[in-house]
Amino acid sequence: NAGVTQTPKFQVLKTGQSMTLQCAQDMNHNSMYWYRQDPGMGLRLIYYSASEGTTDKGEVPNGYNVSRLNKREFSLRLESAAPSQTSVYFCASSKNRDTIGPGELFFGEGSRLTVL
Amino acid sequence: QKEVEQNSGPLSVPEGAIASLNCTYSDRGSQSFFWYRQYSGKSPELIMFIYSNGDKEDGRFTAQLNKASQYVSLLIRDSQPSDSATYLCAVPPQSGNNRLAFGKGNQVVVIP
Repeated sequence: NAGVTQTPKFQVLKTGQSMTLQCAQDMNHNSMYWYRQDPGMGLRLIYYSASEGTTDKGEVPNGYNVSRLNKREFSLRLESAAPSQTSVYFCASSKNRDTIGPGELFFGEGSRLTVL
Repeated sequence: QKEVEQNSGPLSVPEGAIASLNCTYSDRGSQSFFWYRQYSGKSPELIMFIYSNGDKEDGRFTAQLNKASQYVSLLIRDSQPSDSATYLCAVPPQSGNNRLAFGKGNQVVVIP
């Protein structure tokens, strides 16, 4: 049982290049999330998908796009990378939505992205 | 006002002492509250959650919730060097029930 798997773990890009971060979960969770974490800023939500077929913007969506490919997979794309997107990116998933919140989030190991 | 605030700086505690962390939230309708622990270079992991006013104890950890004052606390009793980590408070805003807003985190350093 791998949980949440992110690829790649490390990536260096030049300004203007594009790339896609891949995320897959094998826990049959309905909801998936992409966060970024910067020093002193905590975890900030980029996009999330409450269920297969839906996506919603989070706190910092500009410069990113997402695709919920199927129930297992949720990808994050940077179309034209900028140095401000240098960060650690975490994918997470949670079980069915309930009446009091998303429940426990399970995180991947993170993807460290540097944009030069 | 940010959705979740953790304002304290790094906290250094001697081994065996109690570490106390506080978190305030803005949405009065929030109903569930989470504490995550994150070791340096690792991903966050859930250590406590609380839904009702009052205290919830799990081993050496106690979460305290006061909805009227809109704060949630985490106490770590008998602190161990292995507790040295950043602790993140997380709250799902009522308006967006299916997402979590995180505080910036509090770093705890337990000194042997």
